[in-house]
Amino acid sequence: GENVEQHPSTLSVQEGDSAVIKCTYSDSASNYFPWYKQELGKGPQLIIDIRSNVGEKKDQRIAVTLNKTAKHFSLHITETQPEDSAVYFCAATTRGSQGNLIFGKGTKLSVKP
Amino acid sequence: GAGVSQSPSNKVTEKGKDVELRCDPISGHTALYWYRQSLGQGLEFLIYFQGNSAPDKSGLPSDRFSAERTGGSVSTLTIQRTQQEDSAVYLCASSLAMTRNYGYTFGSGTRLTVV
Repeated sequence: GENVEQHPSTLSVQEGDSAVIKCTYSDSASNYFPWYKQELGKGPQLIIDIRSNVGEKKDQRIAVTLNKTAKHFSLHITETQPEDSAVYFCAATTRGSQGNLIFGKGTKLSVKP
Repeated sequence: GAGVSQSPSNKVTEKGKDVELRCDPISGHTALYWYRQSLGQGLEFLIYFQGNSAPDKSGLPSDRFSAERTGGSVSTLTIQRTQQEDSAVYLCASSLAMTRNYGYTFGSGTRLTVV
């Protein structure tokens, strides 16, 4: 079955710097890769996603890149702000588009003012 | 409603008791999922429902766990004879459909504490 590895588990950056979180997956049939942000006491919230027919997607300060050959994808946050501090989860589908999402173990991002 | 609603938000129960956790998905969402999040850990898949199809129960950790989805809408996750290791946040999510990769919308979760 699908296995998703996420690194690093914790990340601390200065406000204004960039943050990068990386994930690898094992199922070559996976074709959907969302990223979620979870703030304390809340459920995860979808922030950006990418499908396998696209190599990169941007939405303001966040971007996601996908390398299907290497089976890895990354989240990039530029000009980080204190409100970006949260736990971020990557995920990948199982069994292509027919399965549920398998999540990485999360990255706790701290942005220091 | 506008989002996924879960109740109760917090539940403290004695070891050995049964508990029921409720999830109201977004109206029109045919797919519904349950995940478990232990303290400081990732999201562990439990079960999903898609329309009228048989649910995928492959993530349920033991036969003490079961879930139902009535009328294609509200879902209830039941844990029988609760154990301390069941303490976690139980998250429900829904999406428009499982196929064609629609993003999940999560509820805020039920924090279960077994004492």
